[in-house]
Amino acid sequence: AQSVTQLGSHVSVSEGALVLLRCNYSSSVPPYLFWYVQYPNQGLQLLLKYTSAATLVKGINGFEAEFKKSETSFHLTKPSAHMSDAAEYFCAVSKQQINEKLTFGTGTRLTIIP
Amino acid sequence: DTAVSQTPKYLVTQMGNDKSIKCEQNLGHDTMYWYKQDSKKFLKIMFSYNNKELIINETVPNRFSPKSPDKAHLNLHINSLELGDSAVYFCASSQRGSPTEAFFGQGTRLTVV
Repeated sequence: AQSVTQLGSHVSVSEGALVLLRCNYSSSVPPYLFWYVQYPNQGLQLLLKYTSAATLVKGINGFEAEFKKSETSFHLTKPSAHMSDAAEYFCAVSKQQINEKLTFGTGTRLTIIP
Repeated sequence: DTAVSQTPKYLVTQMGNDKSIKCEQNLGHDTMYWYKQDSKKFLKIMFSYNNKELIINETVPNRFSPKSPDKAHLNLHINSLELGDSAVYFCASSQRGSPTEAFFGQGTRLTVV
């Protein structure tokens, strides 16, 4: 079985400060890993994905994440937070197979302090 | 030009009723999914269809029945609605059955009273 754990259900950072959202995964097979963002009353939007190519993955809106197998982590970072980054962020994992489902973490709500 | 569209966006109904949620994607994807997001924002897959064939069926009550008339549509019918069915239901689609590029709809907020 696969799972992801997101540490911190709520994270607050000041505008302009570093954003760090933590995600650790558990998988018995090589995984695909994803970060999705959900703005209020919206669907989920893919931020970035790891599919066993480069371990440092760059996504939209200035976000990036690094796959660290030794730490089973896939933390999401952004050097400088903007007010528009306030949202719910979900880490997800799937097997590297077709027709595979996404297994989501419990989400982290990011609040930006002006 | 919405890629994955769901209707309705909001649905309030009484216990015991039967209701349907419709989903359509215009991305030409082969695979469609239904996910349920509970009040704590936890997201869990319910069903997945690939070219109209049921691929994933998680432990969902029989009251939930997906129907895929063609690969661009995946509807969700719910019989005998219960209070615990209140949630946000998301439809999603991806190409070739891989979730690597899953596109989500805006969600349908179902409230059972």
